Amino acid sequence: SQQGEEDPQALSIQEGENATMNCSYKTSINNLQWYRQNSGRGLVHLILIRSNEREKHSGRLRVTLDTSKKSSSLLITASRAADTASYFCATDPMTTDSWGKLQFGAGTQVVVTP
Amino acid sequence: DADVTQTPRNRITKTGKRIMLECSQTKGHDRMYWYRQDPGLGLRLIYYSFDVKDINKGEISDGYSVSRQAQAKFSLSLESAIPNQTALYFCASASTGRNEQFFGPGTRLTVL
Repeated sequence: SQQGEEDPQALSIQEGENATMNCSYKTSINNLQWYRQNSGRGLVHLILIRSNEREKHSGRLRVTLDTSKKSSSLLITASRAADTASYFCATDPMTTDSWGKLQFGAGTQVVVTP
Repeated sequence: DADVTQTPRNRITKTGKRIMLECSQTKGHDRMYWYRQDPGLGLRLIYYSFDVKDINKGEISDGYSVSRQAQAKFSLSLESAIPNQTALYFCASASTGRNEQFFGPGTRLTVL
């Protein structure tokens, strides 16, 4: 079963605009991660935020985490055509039987047009 | 060279055939994973291994088996392929104590 669900499912923006996508999850987590997938290729790790962190930055990426609402957001600032990809959140659940396993959402497909 | 490699990259087979997908990693990771991706469903875990002698079922292991031949190698087998196993298959590796996973380029499998 999927722990994380991304919203929106698809997002179309123009270069230079910001892109925001959200992830909601169901159970307590150790950390939450965001991955990018270019069409038909393997996922690439972008950023990890731990359950005791509220915000984290990496280059043009900003991730927030609200454990009380069980939600996270990924913001890509000043988007570029090369940011066109699918973005997945993945949770590391805080349960014994889920130890060491990530649970992925269905992803947000982002298209950045020049 | 890629850190996580998968072979073959594409495979078309017929119902009932046995198929093996192979994965190798050069990162020295102890953990390895097999996922399948279907449109609109994200990634689902098939099997995972935390060590050479450790094999665990994921959420969709029926119809699949795995072998961890060495720390660097983890293969996935479909004993008798069926059309609903048509999907994109990914291998990933990770290191105990670090949570990020590194993915291979994927194998696109079509079962006719």
